[in-house]
Amino acid sequence: DAGVIQSPRHEVTEMGQEVTLRCKPISGHDYLFWYRQTMMRGLELLIYFNNNVPIDDSGMPEDRFSAKMPNASFSTLKIQPSEPRDSAVYFCASSTRGFGYTFGSGTRLTVV
Amino acid sequence: RKEVEQDPGPFNVPEGATVAFNCTYSNSASQSFFWYRQDCRKEPKLLMSVYSSGNEDGRFTAQLNRASQYISLLIRDSKLSDSATYLCVVPADRGSTLGRLYFGRGTQLTVWP
Repeated sequence: DAGVIQSPRHEVTEMGQEVTLRCKPISGHDYLFWYRQTMMRGLELLIYFNNNVPIDDSGMPEDRFSAKMPNASFSTLKIQPSEPRDSAVYFCASSTRGFGYTFGSGTRLTVV
Repeated sequence: RKEVEQDPGPFNVPEGATVAFNCTYSNSASQSFFWYRQDCRKEPKLLMSVYSSGNEDGRFTAQLNRASQYISLLIRDSKLSDSATYLCVVPADRGSTLGRLYFGRGTQLTVWP
């Protein structure tokens, strides 16, 4: 099992640019989560999906953030336009009944 | 009150020591809990689940005190490889291990030779 796969591993972009983060969950997992981690705020849930349907997006900071899950094997988190305060590590995780979360390796985003 | 609160540490202990971390949670209806481990610049990984009064796995023991709403993690005979940040985790939904999880800020442990 390849685990949860995220890309890119690192992203450096200029303020105002669009950023797209990608995630492939573990096959068979029906829940997918996007988290953000910073030193100041720790791990924060942004949004999660169940069977490709967004269930709770109350953690999405503002309209600049959007997430999609077009099918069971792929999800994207988009930031447009990006700002320096968006700099963080973004984790994708997946799970299914009876198992805990499995996190991807994360995308380290730096907005300059 | 935050959903999950932990002592951030850092805890610095010698090899072989016993160390304990505590975590408090606010939702008295919570039924299950987790400890995750996060190495520097890595993703969090599930260490232990706690569904009743406690759980033991080798050198690691997790205990739950529902009356006081706290969870503890005890590490015996510490190894250098135990150095990491330990995250206390509580589900948002009573009885469900799916859906939203609340993560504590983590307790940093360094084990020195």
